[in-house]
Amino acid sequence: DAGITQSPRYKITETGRQVTLMCHQTWSHSYMFWYRQDLGHGLRLIYYSAAADITDKGEVPDGYVVSRSKTENFPLTLESATRSQTSVYFCASSPPGLARNEQFFGPGTRLTVL
Amino acid sequence: KQEVTQIPAALSVPEGENLVLNCSFTDSAIYNLQWFRQDPGKGLTSLLLIQSSQREQTSGRLNASLDKSSGRSTLYIAASQPGDSATYLCAVSPEINTDKLIFGTGTRLQVFP
Repeated sequence: DAGITQSPRYKITETGRQVTLMCHQTWSHSYMFWYRQDLGHGLRLIYYSAAADITDKGEVPDGYVVSRSKTENFPLTLESATRSQTSVYFCASSPPGLARNEQFFGPGTRLTVL
Repeated sequence: KQEVTQIPAALSVPEGENLVLNCSFTDSAIYNLQWFRQDPGKGLTSLLLIQSSQREQTSGRLNASLDKSSGRSTLYIAASQPGDSATYLCAVSPEINTDKLIFGTGTRLQVFP
């Protein structure tokens, strides 16, 4: 299906475990983003990527790692999960020239760290 | 640091009312502003995007205005319907880094029959 997908949709893990959240888009958008959404904080940018092999930190990057070897995929890895990383994670993409284009969001991954 | 605030945090109205959602931002140096809709358990859907040079944008029953100098935007919903029930978020793109969006915490709207 065309669009932007995230997997898994729900994940429960334990403190200290490594977790990878997947994001895939079929539009060949150059920009991709990872956000987390928490009560009282709204959406906060974790990392973003302007193109394959180009990534940059957002507002809250600590504890997360990203890679972008292919344009269509942008995985987010929690190297050693902590309870404070319990959140809903959203991936988004946009064509080049973000300021003139919209961001398109995936359905989200709800992550619980016990 | 840019901060985006949305008031009220929640709103409940009867069907048919016209309503206004507010968004304010502390730094007027923005490139554009977007309004999104988020349904429970779902991702965000872009509703309207206003460039900093524009005053308003319209889509159907929705009208968004932008007063950049005063740091405010409003989303006007005409003749509200129960299907409009959702959380509405605004986000600004700063001039200094147009790659990013800074979000407000949203207004949760309930329209009852």
